[in-house]
Amino acid sequence: GDSVTQMEGPVTLSEEAFLTINCTYTATGYPSLFWYVQYPGEGLQLLLKATKADDKGSNKGFEATYRKETTSFHLEKGSVQVSDSAVYFCALGGSTLGRLYFGRGTQLTVWP
Amino acid sequence: ETGVTQSPTHLIKTRGQQVTLRCSSQSGHNTVSWYQQALGQGPQFIFQYYREEENGRGNFPPRFSGLQFPNYSSELNVNALELDDSALYLCASSLGGDSGANVLTFGAGSRLTVL
Repeated sequence: GDSVTQMEGPVTLSEEAFLTINCTYTATGYPSLFWYVQYPGEGLQLLLKATKADDKGSNKGFEATYRKETTSFHLEKGSVQVSDSAVYFCALGGSTLGRLYFGRGTQLTVWP
Repeated sequence: ETGVTQSPTHLIKTRGQQVTLRCSSQSGHNTVSWYQQALGQGPQFIFQYYREEENGRGNFPPRFSGLQFPNYSSELNVNALELDDSALYLCASSLGGDSGANVLTFGAGSRLTVL
C-alpha cells in the first residue's frame, strides 16, 4: 500500500546551516507529494508540493524535487533560521481524493 | 478569507464516554477530511466527507463516525472512548476535484485526552 518513510529526528542545527530531511515513498500510480510544517500549538501548513516526476516545489527558501527513479522527495534549505524550528511532515496524496499518507514527522530545532 | 476552525480546542473525557468535535471549513471549500494525530506520530486519515456523504475511510472502527452539513461544516463523533483515542484530531478542508482535492487546509486541532 501507499506509505511514506521519513528521516527520524530530532534534527538540531545552528542558524545558517544547510538542512536536508530525507523522505522516500511507496505508491501505486503517480501520487502528488507534499511537505507540511507544524509549528507548536498549531495545525499543519502546506509548505510545498509537487505533482509529477521531476517537478520541484519551493517556498520560503525550502525546496524538494520529485524523484521517481529513487522514489524520493527530500526537503532542503540552504540557510536555516531560528524561525524554521518546527515539525516537518512528508506526505503522499493517495488514490482517495483528500487522503494523505503522512510520515512520522521530523522535529527541527535551530539555535542562534 | 477565514481558515478552518475547530472546537473545542481541548477536552478531557473518561473511558466509555462519547465525544463530538466540530469543524468549520475554509470559505469556498466543499470537502472535509478528519485526521488523528497521536503524540509523536504523523496524522492518520479517518475519513472524508463530500456533499454530505462519506467519501473514503481509513482504518478506523465504526465507533468513529461523522457528518457534513449543507454549509460544509462537519462533526466527528467517537463513541465508547478508549485510552488510545487520546490524540490531536485535525480537520482539513479542500476543494473537490482532481486539481485541488489533495491541497488541504488544516485547522489547529482538538486535543482529546481520555482518562
